[in-house]
Amino acid sequence: GAGVSQTPSNKVTEKGKYVELRCDPISGHTALYWYRQSLGQGPEFLIYFQGTGAADDSGLPNDRFFAVRPEGSVSTLKIQRTERGDSAVYLCASSSDRASPLHFGNGTRLTVT
Amino acid sequence: LAKTTQPISMDSYEGQEVNITCSHNNIATNDYITWYQQFPSQGPRFIIQGYKTKVTNEVASLFIPADRKSSTLSLPRVSLSDTAVYYCLAMDSNYQLIWGAGTKLIIKP
Repeated sequence: GAGVSQTPSNKVTEKGKYVELRCDPISGHTALYWYRQSLGQGPEFLIYFQGTGAADDSGLPNDRFFAVRPEGSVSTLKIQRTERGDSAVYLCASSSDRASPLHFGNGTRLTVT
Repeated sequence: LAKTTQPISMDSYEGQEVNITCSHNNIATNDYITWYQQFPSQGPRFIIQGYKTKVTNEVASLFIPADRKSSTLSLPRVSLSDTAVYYCLAMDSNYQLIWGAGTKLIIKP
């Protein structure tokens, strides 16, 4: 069946611009996660949704980062006033419940120039 | 949250059994041990999860001794396609995971 889909796969933007990254989770998965991964490092937790609500947003680095999941399915990670330090691979994962294994997408590689 | 420690890198050869050990000295009573595999330009993929003793699936085995302060992922008869980064994580009762840098496994012909 279809896995987690993330678009775009690559995004290049200029410093100061606004970007949106999209995640289509596996159908029926109520739990959705956003992670950020830098080269040579493990994924860094950003935010967790249970249904439509952000149950844990403790990983968002600052108020330039925001994520939504209005209908409990597709989620969008939004980054305002991008900085070069935001450059990384942004990973989305979903699971049927919080205790179940995570299913990851292949990520969006964000490059801020 | 329990922190895990694993080797930065390992090498092995095709056809060999590979064992990657992970240390988690401060693991809590309710924590589960979970392993993920990640190939370049892909997201991590779940391999196996366990609480104690031995768990086996079609891909790997996971050994957790009685004190649960360490665990060993065993990959039987590896092939070149098993070259990847392997992450050991402890999942606590709040289902939170902390990802380290993982173990980069390189399989040689």
